[in-house]
Amino acid sequence: NAGVMQNPRHLVRRRGQEARLRCSPMKGHSHVYWYRQLPEEGLKFMVYLQKENIIDESGMPKERFSAEFPKEGPSILRIQQVVRGDSAAYFCASSPLLAGGNSYQETQYFGPGTRLLVL
Amino acid sequence: DAKTTQPPSMDCAEGRAANLPCNHSTISGNEYVYWYRQIHSQGPQYIIHGLKNNETNEMASLIITEDRKSSTLILPHATLRDTAVYYCIVRAYSGAGSYQLTFGKGTKLSVIP
Repeated sequence: NAGVMQNPRHLVRRRGQEARLRCSPMKGHSHVYWYRQLPEEGLKFMVYLQKENIIDESGMPKERFSAEFPKEGPSILRIQQVVRGDSAAYFCASSPLLAGGNSYQETQYFGPGTRLLVL
Repeated sequence: DAKTTQPPSMDCAEGRAANLPCNHSTISGNEYVYWYRQIHSQGPQYIIHGLKNNETNEMASLIITEDRKSSTLILPHATLRDTAVYYCIVRAYSGAGSYQLTFGKGTKLSVIP
């Protein structure tokens, strides 16, 4: 059973360009979380998605950032008009939907991350 | 904000048990304690979680005090590959529809040969 996949692993963009980060959850997982880790800091929650729905985007910057998790295909985190402050490691995690839907018990499994560098 | 307190760093001799403490004095009755670790700049790795009973798996043991205000993660025989930042997380409802993980600064464990 393959783990959470993220690509690309490294991404270099110039200021003003767009960055697209992809996350394929573990097989059978229908929930995806995105986190950002700035240099020398802990991970910060950004957004939580289920298939075709954004459930919680309370950690997303209000502008330039968007996320989707379509019915088919990976989850995408999109950053428009990148700035140097967007340089960070972006991790996604996936979790299953347990019978009964008790999310307290849904363990999140993380991918290897995408390192974004904005020049 | 993180609801846990951990020492910033600890050392452990290779082959000895590593005991990592965590205080979570404001934990609520239905909130779980999760432990993750991050080796260098890799993705966080799930270790173990528990509610009120002690838990053990192939990686570690988790001891939760009876009042649930603190816990200890135990790596029974630490190896050099266990050198990492260890995060103790109380998983709570965000109020906005998710049970996100709130990472603090964690404990940097250094296993020494």
